[in-house]
Amino acid sequence: DSGVTQTPKHLITATGQRVTLRCSPRSGDLSVYWYQQSLDQGLQFLIQYYNGEERAKGNILERFSAQQFPDLHSELNLSSLELGDSALYFCASSARPGFEQYFGPGTRLTVT
Amino acid sequence: AQSVTQLGSHVSVSEGALVLLRCNYSSSVPPYLFWYVQYPNQGLQLLLKYTSAATLVKGINGFEAEFKKSETSFHLTKPSAHMSDAAEYFCAVSDSNTGNQFYFGTGTSLTVIP
Repeated sequence: DSGVTQTPKHLITATGQRVTLRCSPRSGDLSVYWYQQSLDQGLQFLIQYYNGEERAKGNILERFSAQQFPDLHSELNLSSLELGDSALYFCASSARPGFEQYFGPGTRLTVT
Repeated sequence: AQSVTQLGSHVSVSEGALVLLRCNYSSSVPPYLFWYVQYPNQGLQLLLKYTSAATLVKGINGFEAEFKKSETSFHLTKPSAHMSDAAEYFCAVSDSNTGNQFYFGTGTSLTVIP
């Protein structure tokens, strides 16, 4: 158990819908990262927050957004969902940027 | 730009044989280096990390990696493969030149043949 929690574990929704994925970092970690993992694209970095502020952006689509709240939990919002958004979404946390990341168990999103 | 290259997207070894998974990085300053393992339908788990202390780093499950600055490499090894080592392995790097951003390699799938 890494100490990072993600909810829900599984999510099935239809195209065009909007979903929110939630992540709670390890106690004391200030940085949160979001990743998308699919068979065809591998592990893709989406976005990073540090102590509530956006720190770095990766291959995140405009339909996707995220935020980190004062209690340090983070949410990833995915809207206008397409079939190609079906993937595993991981959250990770670290004490500081550049330090080792600890990954949550992931949320499996299926868009039908 | 920072990058990580994992040579070989698929590696097969016999049970009991040496495991060698290759990772090369590009960085103008000594980076932090990491190896992660991912079992099916699970998140990535930290195997070991190099943070500019000893160049030979020991991790969990009998794995170790050696930082070689002259070769810009951080290869992962295990003397004797077990069936339970079958998984996806990711090398990652971060350095201060890029604001401590993390970069993952594309992963190497390890198959262990009984």
